[in-house]
Amino acid sequence: AQSVTQLGSHVSVSEGALVLLRCNYSSSVPPYLFWYVQYPNQGLQLLLKYTSAATLVKGINGFEAEFKKSETSFHLTKPSAHMSDAAEYFCAVSGLTGGGNKLTFGTGTQLKVEL
Amino acid sequence: DVKVTQSSRYLVKRTGEKVFLECVQDMDHENMFWYRQDPGLGLRLIYFSYDVKMKEKGDIPEGYSVSREKKERFSLILESASTNQTSMYLCASTRGLGAITDTQYFGPGTRLTVL
Repeated sequence: AQSVTQLGSHVSVSEGALVLLRCNYSSSVPPYLFWYVQYPNQGLQLLLKYTSAATLVKGINGFEAEFKKSETSFHLTKPSAHMSDAAEYFCAVSGLTGGGNKLTFGTGTQLKVEL
Repeated sequence: DVKVTQSSRYLVKRTGEKVFLECVQDMDHENMFWYRQDPGLGLRLIYFSYDVKMKEKGDIPEGYSVSREKKERFSLILESASTNQTSMYLCASTRGLGAITDTQYFGPGTRLTVL
């Protein structure tokens, strides 16, 4: 079975500081990994995804993530936080089951950005 | 622009009532999903459907059923609502079998309160 673990349910950074949100995965097959973001009172939207084409993946809004097989990690980073980045972030792993693909999500990390 | 809509943003029901949550997508997607989101637990898959009239249980199907009579519409049914089903419910869709790396597109969510 595939799973992801997000370390830190709440992360707080100052505006302009580095954002680092951690995600570790467990998978018996090469994983396909995703980061989604949820702004207040909205559904989830895709930030970026790893599909084995490149280990460093760039996403929207200046976010990127690096797939590290040796560390079973897919941490999300952004060099300089902005107030608008305050949201909940979910890491997810994709797997085939039955007739279709499904995502298994982590428990989420709430990012707070302070002035 | 892709779109997943859910019939209600907020819903309040009484214990024992039958509850219908509706989801519609306009992207001609094969796969549709129902999740519930609870603080500290992330998103958990209730049911998904990979074709009209086809369904498969997710991780927490107990107390729920689903219906997919048309490709664009996927309904979640709570046969007899209970207070422990108070939650945020998210619908998502994606392309068909084999598209394991495809993005899931989410609706805005329905916040259900069962009194």
